[in-house]
Amino acid sequence: DAGVIQSPRHEVTEMGQEVTLRCKPISGHNSLFWYRQTMMRGLELLIYFNNNVPIDDSGMPEDRFSAKMPNASFSTLKIQPSEPRDSAVYFCASSWGSSEQYFGPGTRLTVT
Amino acid sequence: DQQVKQNSPSLSVQEGRISILNCDYTNSMFDYFLWYKKYPAEGPTFLISISSIKDKNEDGRFTVFLNKSAKHLSLHIVPSQPGDSAVYFCAASVVASGGGADGLTFGKGTHLIIQP
Repeated sequence: DAGVIQSPRHEVTEMGQEVTLRCKPISGHNSLFWYRQTMMRGLELLIYFNNNVPIDDSGMPEDRFSAKMPNASFSTLKIQPSEPRDSAVYFCASSWGSSEQYFGPGTRLTVT
Repeated sequence: DQQVKQNSPSLSVQEGRISILNCDYTNSMFDYFLWYKKYPAEGPTFLISISSIKDKNEDGRFTVFLNKSAKHLSLHIVPSQPGDSAVYFCAASVVASGGGADGLTFGKGTHLIIQP
């Protein structure tokens, strides 16, 4: 049974470039979450969706960040333009309702 | 302001003994608590959870205790095994009305090292 799938696993880009991270949640799950992990701030929630609808985006750091969930099996997190301080590991997670969340392997983003 | 705190960045325990990881929270609205385990270069893996209506939940070698009045929870691992060496995160959330999902607030983690 496939878990949460994230791509790419690693992304290195130059400052100012657009970055798109992708996530496929576990089939049947109706909630999807984007988290970011940094040394300074730890794991923090960026945004989450219930039934493909964004519920809370208060964790999105700036307008440069945007997330979409066009259907139940796909979500993207976009950073445009990227900056060095965006360097982090970005995790996607999914759940059924309020049950435990299952995390993907993460995307390690490096912005030079 | 950190709403979920894990005050021990690391913990070393001998194989076969009990490991006790602690977590404190400040937001009294939290009503669902979880522990995750994380290996390097992998995503967090769900271990065990507890609802605020309970004070204990067991799953094999893992037991989570919740003390609501103290806003404290702990994870006990008995007996500790070498494969338990990892970073453990405490997380909390508020179950939305209607049972909908809510995002998790994480502690900074405790690195557990099991000594052979």
